[in-house]
Amino acid sequence: DIQMTQSPSFVSASVGDRVTITCQANQGISIWLAWYQQKPGKAPKVLIYGASTLESGVPSRFSGSGSGTHFTLTISSLQPEDSATYYCQQTNRFPLAFGGGTKVDIK
Amino acid sequence: QLQLQESGPGLVRPSETLSLICNVSDDSVSSTRYYWGWIRQAPGTGPEWIGSVYYSGTTHFNPSLKSRVTMSVDATKKQVSLKLMSVTAADTAVYFCGRQPIDCSASRCYIFDSWGQGTLVTVSS
Repeated sequence: DIQMTQSPSFVSASVGDRVTITCQANQGISIWLAWYQQKPGKAPKVLIYGASTLESGVPSRFSGSGSGTHFTLTISSLQPEDSATYYCQQTNRFPLAFGGGTKVDIK
Repeated sequence: QLQLQESGPGLVRPSETLSLICNVSDDSVSSTRYYWGWIRQAPGTGPEWIGSVYYSGTTHFNPSLKSRVTMSVDATKKQVSLKLMSVTAADTAVYFCGRQPIDCSASRCYIFDSWGQGTLVTVSS
């Protein structure tokens, strides 16, 4: 089964900073990776799918890259509303799996 | 705008069966274009995929839960159901249902593009 590992587990950054989160799969998944944002008490919301395609309505400061086993989510200029926990999910095949999450905090 | 709403008991006794329903606001529950998934999230942890069901009854489950889980679609009621047997305190979590496109041509297959608000289920005597 495919397992997903995210790093770091926590990041604290200032408004305007560039933030990068990494997700690694234990076997190749091509570009079949999605990123989600979750705020407290809410369901996750998809930001990116296909490793790099922005979901409709998601601000362009979010971007994704990678293929195979190594992926990144980048927030180019952190905004206060980006304070949340971010998760990756492999969509290559069943059984599906999520990463452990990265909490982004605003300094 | 699609709406998903989970419902079911908020408290389940250990060793009993957890039963949840996801009400789907439109006819997409019987569409050939989607799987319907269940995800849970224990306090302070990341999402855990439980399983996914197709309108035809085809299912895929998390191997760690497979022996205890059943899922089904009732198109007439626009509902997706989850049953988890022999629960323990480790099954305490917020349970979400979600819609999963199956069209891989646009790289959107098996993402969760719509979610319910989630329902907290506590396993305790």
